Amino acid sequence: GIQVEQSPPDLILQEGANSTLRCNFSDSVNNLQWFHQNPWGQLINLFYIPSGTKQNGRLSATTVATERYSLLYISSSQTTDSGVYFCAFWTWSSASKIIFGSGTRLSIRP
Amino acid sequence: DSGVTQTPKHLITATGQRVTLRCSPRSGDLSVYWYQQSLDQGLQFLIQYYNGEERAKGNILERFSAQQFPDLHSELNLSSLELGDSALYFCASSATTGQSYNSPLHFGNGTRLTVT
Repeated sequence: GIQVEQSPPDLILQEGANSTLRCNFSDSVNNLQWFHQNPWGQLINLFYIPSGTKQNGRLSATTVATERYSLLYISSSQTTDSGVYFCAFWTWSSASKIIFGSGTRLSIRP
Repeated sequence: DSGVTQTPKHLITATGQRVTLRCSPRSGDLSVYWYQQSLDQGLQFLIQYYNGEERAKGNILERFSAQQFPDLHSELNLSSLELGDSALYFCASSATTGQSYNSPLHFGNGTRLTVT
């Protein structure tokens, strides 16, 4: 089945730092999304980004489907950015249709 | 607010019992998905319904079942509960047509199930 890898698995940064989170996938995928799971467990939809680049405030995302990766950029990190970031996508090759990466755990220190 | 409503927020029950989790999708969304997230784990897909019909199945145990009703709300039934069933259960919805997945997922806030 399709393989998905998120890197890094863990990231600890000081407030104000910038970061880049990566999602690699082994096959062509559709409809990639990025989610943030905050420390209270809520899953928040950050970007729906099948291809191209989108920006929302301090966050931006880029998906290059032909090269099988997506990046999430966080600039000027705040403590509220802490949590786990998941990429997810749909693929015909997966019986579960929409699968999630294992996540990047981000901790922002004040 | 994602527009997806899950109830209850918390549920504490004993082993061997049966519980029902409820989900109301966003207005207009025909697809409902259920996911399980155990402590510090990723999201495991359980099952998807589209307009009342089962569309895709993941690693759902035989003790678990789900359905989507004509008003599009969905229920996940968990029976003969075991300690290992303790987890956060998420419902998500999307406007997908059911044949292709061309719409984003929107998640509810989850139901935290504790089996004692």
